[in-house]
Parts: sequence; structure tokens; C-alpha cells
Amino acid sequence: AQKITQTQPGMFVQEKEAVTLDCTYDTSDQSYGLFWYKQPSSGEMIFLIYQGSYDEQNATEGRYSLNFQKARKSANLVISASQLGDSAMYFCAAYTGGGNKLTFGTGTQLKVEL
Amino acid sequence: DTGVSQDPRHKITKRGQNVTFRCDPISEHNRLYWYRQTLGQGPEFLTYFQNEAQLEKSRLLSDRFSAERPKGSFSTLEIQRTEQGDSAMYLCASSLGAEATEAFFGQGTRLTVV
Repeated sequence: AQKITQTQPGMFVQEKEAVTLDCTYDTSDQSYGLFWYKQPSSGEMIFLIYQGSYDEQNATEGRYSLNFQKARKSANLVISASQLGDSAMYFCAAYTGGGNKLTFGTGTQLKVEL
Repeated sequence: DTGVSQDPRHKITKRGQNVTFRCDPISEHNRLYWYRQTLGQGPEFLTYFQNEAQLEKSRLLSDRFSAERPKGSFSTLEIQRTEQGDSAMYLCASSLGAEATEAFFGQGTRLTVV
């Protein structure tokens, strides 16, 4: 079994600032994948970034980067230069070997302010 | 192919009625997943298919729930004798292969049982 913990129910950031959303995971598997998804109020889950457990470098996708600290079992999402359109719910998720299903955290509601 | 599509987007039903949702995955994706998301929570895994075979079902999937993917393409999720606790967003996702580096989600079907 695995568990994803997101300890920040809500975060505020000013436009153009960077923000870090926390995620820790608990798994005994050696092979796993970590994801971040964005869910706007419209409901769809938008894939942002992926990190494999064997990837040595932190994943980056445009303004998104994943700060992967394997020993601490953390996979924090960093959004640089926040935009008003980044306001949404953000979910951290993981799968383990076999990729059968994703386990999600409870999410962090991000609000970007002027 | 523009992505995973789900129909309907919204469904209001009376308690005790049966409902059926449809998911059309990305055409070349052989894996299809159903998740349920209640208010304030992350999505929870319900079941998944590889081609037409249903390979795993969650304990959340009571015997009132049934899912099919008859030709390995679209899938349906049926809930019989709906209860108020079934009110949730039902999300479908698809991916290519077992070790998917990303699963693409549809926009979901929001079910309200009154």
C-alpha cells in the first residue's frame, strides 16, 4: 500500500512569484512514479509533470519543476513566475510497479493574487 | 483524437435509479481507468481495464457498480439503485502501456443523487 500526503490545504502566492507545493509519499517499492496534476474548477485533471523513481535529475516542464528528494520521500512541485491562471487545485499522485493505478493526495488549493 | 471524453458531463438522478456513464479513451491507449472523486478529496481508484479485460477492482466498487469495456475501446460504468453517497465526480483516464509516464484524464461526469 502507498500513501500520499499533502499537508497544505491552501496556499496563496502573488503573481510572478514562485511557490512550492509539498508532497510526501510512503511506499516500500523500489520502482514507482510520481505525478502532479492540476484541477481547475471545471473539473478536468491536467497532467503537469512526472518523475520516475530511478530518474537522477529533477523533472522540469516549462514553469513546473519537481524537487525530488528520494531519501526524504518527498516530491514537491515548484511553480515559477506564478500566473493568475495557475489558481486551481493541485494533486500529487504516485503509482508503483505495474502502473495499475494512481494513488492521490488530498490536494492543495492554490490561489494566485495580484 | 482530442483526448479522453466522458458523457454526460453532469447527471442528476433520483435515489434508487440506475445510471450509466460512458468514457471514450485516446484511441491507441490500451489501459482505461475509472476513479471517483468526492468533494474535497483526491480521486480514488475504482477499476481498470487492459484492452477488454477488467484486471483490478477496488473495494470501493460495491456490487451495485459494474464496468465494461466490451471491445477494448470505450467503457461504461453503471451504478444500480443509486444512493446519495454515490454523489461524486467520476473520472476516466487512459494510458498507453503498463509503466505509463502519464495518464490522461477526461473532464469527468458529475453525479448528483437527490
